Amino acid sequence: GAGVSQTPSNKVTEKGKYVELRCDPISGHTALYWYRQSLGQGPEFLIYFQGTGAADDSGLPNDRFFAVRPEGSVSTLKIQRTERGDSAVYLCASSSGGLPDTQYFGPGTRLTVL
Amino acid sequence: TQLLEQSPQFLSIQEGENLTVYCNSSSVFSSLQWYRQEPGEGPVLLVTVVTGGEVKKLKRLTFQFGDARKDSSLHITAAQPGDTGLYLCAGGFSGNTGKLIFGQGTTLQVKP
Repeated sequence: GAGVSQTPSNKVTEKGKYVELRCDPISGHTALYWYRQSLGQGPEFLIYFQGTGAADDSGLPNDRFFAVRPEGSVSTLKIQRTERGDSAVYLCASSSGGLPDTQYFGPGTRLTVL
Repeated sequence: TQLLEQSPQFLSIQEGENLTVYCNSSSVFSSLQWYRQEPGEGPVLLVTVVTGGEVKKLKRLTFQFGDARKDSSLHITAAQPGDTGLYLCAGGFSGNTGKLIFGQGTTLQVKP
């Protein structure tokens, strides 16, 4: 694939429901990141994977948020018992690793919780 | 809590004018990156600076990293309508995390 892809592009759900957001990174990229961007703000770090493991999950706001990357490629961000405050654009990025490194961002999933 | 403050938050100028965007923090970063974001898309990296005092130029854009690696600036010369967008600075850390801390962004509008 040419770049990072995210599905769905838009997700509307009701308060209290469970949602899954998917990220397909650039092929061969070992590092994967999730960020959340609220309207008028910069992206906020959520979690960073190196391979299959979460190397840094310090940005996850609470235990309703969980992310997996079981085979070291595709990642899924899972949000349980959604709240209206979870409404935001969820961005995924991938990189080849190393610090500093270029993170390539996907277009994001716009989540709206009614 | 690491915090990056960007200023100004909004900037509307005429084509041909110069502008500077500032990014300040009380924290020291191992690297500072500048991104540009268009509506409906993810941020795209413009430049990475890693050395205190470093200056990098990208055509009409000049980026500077402060000597203490706590602040940075982006200067655009002779702005064009195509420069319109959201500009974000982001600080990176040494160690085993690749996370970036982003500023709140500067929305730039360049009018023809």
